[in-house]
Amino acid sequence: AQSVTQLDSQVPVFEEAPVELRCNYSSSVSVYLFWYVQYPNQGLQLLLKYLSGSTLVESINGFEAEFNKSQTSFHLRKPSVHISDTAEYFCAVTSIQGAQKLVFGQGTRLTINP
Amino acid sequence: DTEVTQTPKHLVMGMTNKKSLKCEQHMGHRAMYWYKQKAKKPPELMFVYSYEKLSINESVPSRFSPECPNSSLLNLHLHALQPEDSALYLCASSQEGGQGYSPLHFGNGTRLTVT
Repeated sequence: AQSVTQLDSQVPVFEEAPVELRCNYSSSVSVYLFWYVQYPNQGLQLLLKYLSGSTLVESINGFEAEFNKSQTSFHLRKPSVHISDTAEYFCAVTSIQGAQKLVFGQGTRLTINP
Repeated sequence: DTEVTQTPKHLVMGMTNKKSLKCEQHMGHRAMYWYKQKAKKPPELMFVYSYEKLSINESVPSRFSPECPNSSLLNLHLHALQPEDSALYLCASSQEGGQGYSPLHFGNGTRLTVT
């Protein structure tokens, strides 16, 4: 079984500041890792994913995440945030085999202050 | 705009009512999902359909009854719900079922209130 821990339930930052949202996972098998974002009153949207290959993955809106197998982490970073990045961010994991069962972390509420 | 469409957006129902939530996708995805999300919590998986067959039921109470009429449609029939069932119900789809590398595409959800 897999589990995900998002270490911060809330992260307030000022606009244009850098941000890191932390995610650690636990699994006895190889996994795929995802970050999903949920804007207010909306469903979840895939932000980025790690399947294999380069451990650094990037999204189209400036976020990046790095898979660190030794530390079992998949932290999300952005060098300069915008007001529009205010949202709930969920880290998720699934095993590379078996049923499509995503295990989500508890979420991190990112609040951008002007 | 989301490619997974859910109706209605909001639903208020009494504990004796029968209602249905509907979900539609036209991306050719072969797996469809129902999730339940309580406030300030992550989504919880309820059901998975793969190639129109129910493949996962996460021990959901029988007052929730899923239906997949075809590969594009997914329904969730509700009967005799409890106030604690009030939540955001999210539908999702993925290209293939049973494979971990197919990211989920979510709808915007139905906000359900049980009175």
